[in-house]
Amino acid sequence: GDSVTQMEGPVTLSEEAFLTINCTYTATGYPSLFWYVQYPGEGLQLLLKATKADDKGSNKGFEATYRKETTSFHLEKGSVQVSDSAVYFCALSDSIRVWGAQKLVFGQGTRLTINP
Amino acid sequence: SQTIHQWPATLVQPVGSPLSLECTVEGTSNPNLYWYRQAAGRGLQLLFYSVGIGQISSEVPQNLSASRPQDRQFILSSKKLLLSDSGFYLCALIPGTGGGYTFGSGTRLTVV
Repeated sequence: GDSVTQMEGPVTLSEEAFLTINCTYTATGYPSLFWYVQYPGEGLQLLLKATKADDKGSNKGFEATYRKETTSFHLEKGSVQVSDSAVYFCALSDSIRVWGAQKLVFGQGTRLTINP
Repeated sequence: SQTIHQWPATLVQPVGSPLSLECTVEGTSNPNLYWYRQAAGRGLQLLFYSVGIGQISSEVPQNLSASRPQDRQFILSSKKLLLSDSGFYLCALIPGTGGGYTFGSGTRLTVV
């Protein structure tokens, strides 16, 4: 079945450092790709998404490009802040064949800590 | 705008006790609803999804069950909790704001 693999955490960086969190996927068909962020004690929030190859999703200074040739959707940010400390999840959309419902398949999450 | 209400926010239950977690939705009609669990240090696991009232599909075998008695209500239940049921339970819906899912704020369950 479809799957998502993220780089293992935790990742610890200093403020203003460059961030990359790797994400690769395996899927049949052409899924949409997502990054979600989970701040401490909270649910997940959609950070950005891309729905087709070569699309670039961006939000709050974060970017990710849908690379079909490398089956990747790496998350990047040029200068991180302490407030970016959270767990980041890469996900792809998948179609449940029964009833045609859609579901998301998540990676295991990467915990990011930014030190001042 | 869409809102998902989950309660309680935290719950501590003894092994063998029953469980009922409720999720209610506002700002949308006829959504697909989902229950996910996040175990400590692990990713998200899809437990159940529902495309309509009374329609439930289970993704993994377990001692949990789900019900959808109303269009905007999704309930997760157990008759007897196990230690392994501890985790962070998230309710979600599609279509969500901005695409993908909208998630609730979650319930942290600790089984002792």
